[in-house]
Amino acid sequence: SQTIHQWPATLVQPVGSPLSLECTVEGTSNPNLYWYRQAAGRGLQLLFYSVGIGQISSEVPQNLSASRPQDRQFILSSKKLLLSDSGFYLCAGEPGTHYGYTFGSGTRLTVV
Amino acid sequence: GENVEQHPSTLSVQEGDSAVIKCTYSDSASNYFPWYKQELGKGPQLIIDIRSNVGEKKDQRIAVTLNKTAKHFSLHITETQPEDSAVYFCAATSYSTLTFGKGTMLLVSP
Repeated sequence: SQTIHQWPATLVQPVGSPLSLECTVEGTSNPNLYWYRQAAGRGLQLLFYSVGIGQISSEVPQNLSASRPQDRQFILSSKKLLLSDSGFYLCAGEPGTHYGYTFGSGTRLTVV
Repeated sequence: GENVEQHPSTLSVQEGDSAVIKCTYSDSASNYFPWYKQELGKGPQLIIDIRSNVGEKKDQRIAVTLNKTAKHFSLHITETQPEDSAVYFCAATSYSTLTFGKGTMLLVSP
């Protein structure tokens, strides 16, 4: 079965600082990978998804970027954080079409 | 693209009662419908899913029904327990990324 590892669990960063959140996958090869952000209002906003190494699709133009340097590694980055980047960031993986997403445990980011 | 509407946004029930959460979707090509449970501070967890060639699926106290003609699907939880309290998300897709509903906060009172 697929396991998504995500860290750190919580992060407090000042405005203007850089960001790097890492997600790794265990138990699956060539998964589809996703980054979501969840605000206090509960909805899941898709930020980026990747179907393979180096292949990134952006759903929402914003202050963030994503990269997939290895098959089972997905990184979310920012060069300069904004207050509006605060939220709960979730990485998800899908071993194939219609197998359902497996989510990581999330990173609570607070930009101060 | 796909649009998923989920109702109600909040649902309060007494322990032992049944709970029903409903979702509608817009894309008639959608053929996979998962449901997720998210406990406070954790990532969502897949609890049940249904494909378009099936009208109903059951797993112990949880069941999902799908009406393709009306483009809606529902989650049914029977004999609710306090540990069922969480936010529940429905989702739909054809062969693209999942589109999620906005979530239902289920509160089960002892």
